[in-house]
Amino acid sequence: DVKVTQSSRYLVKRTGEKVFLECVQDMDHENMFWYRQDPGLGLRLIYFSYDVKMKEKGDIPEGYSVSREKKERFSLILESASTNQTSMYLCASSFRGTGELFFGEGSRLTVL
Amino acid sequence: GENVEQHPSTLSVQEGDSAVIKCTYSDSASNYFPWYKQELGKGPQLIIDIRSNVGEKKDQRIAVTLNKTAKHFSLHITETQPEDSAVYFCAARLTGGGNKLTFGTGTQLKVEL
Repeated sequence: DVKVTQSSRYLVKRTGEKVFLECVQDMDHENMFWYRQDPGLGLRLIYFSYDVKMKEKGDIPEGYSVSREKKERFSLILESASTNQTSMYLCASSFRGTGELFFGEGSRLTVL
Repeated sequence: GENVEQHPSTLSVQEGDSAVIKCTYSDSASNYFPWYKQELGKGPQLIIDIRSNVGEKKDQRIAVTLNKTAKHFSLHITETQPEDSAVYFCAARLTGGGNKLTFGTGTQLKVEL
């Protein structure tokens, strides 16, 4: 089975802290994605990557950055967390050119 | 960019009844339309998808229909069961958009006994 593992299920951080959310997939997928899930807003794409060291902005990249140093790992970085970044963050991966995204179980971040 | 609208936001049905969730998309260049199911505490999981060259696709109790002219697509679940209770998301992908999906806002389906 494909497995997408997000390092933390629940995090509580303070405003201004630097936050790292880690995601690892074990299926040699080329594509990796970070989505944010909020009630009434669905899933919104933050950043995605089609290859190592490659990244592209999604629909809501402001306040976020990413890192992909290895094919299996895609990290989401909040340089200075703010309360409006309190949300559920979902990582996903897929093979290049195919439709199905495989999601992790999510990381629920609370910024106080 | 693409915009996907999804209705209703909540849907409650009796066990055994049918459920229908509808989505519309804005960009006629979209060519791939998946549906994801998210159970409580889990990430979304693909349940069915349809490509723009097909009008309907079925998989046991679930089916998806696509009307390209009207730019809308629907998920149909027949003979609903309690385990169908979940949040359902539709999505669309632009031709040439890599594997970047634009999701709808989600539908909370509750199947009551």
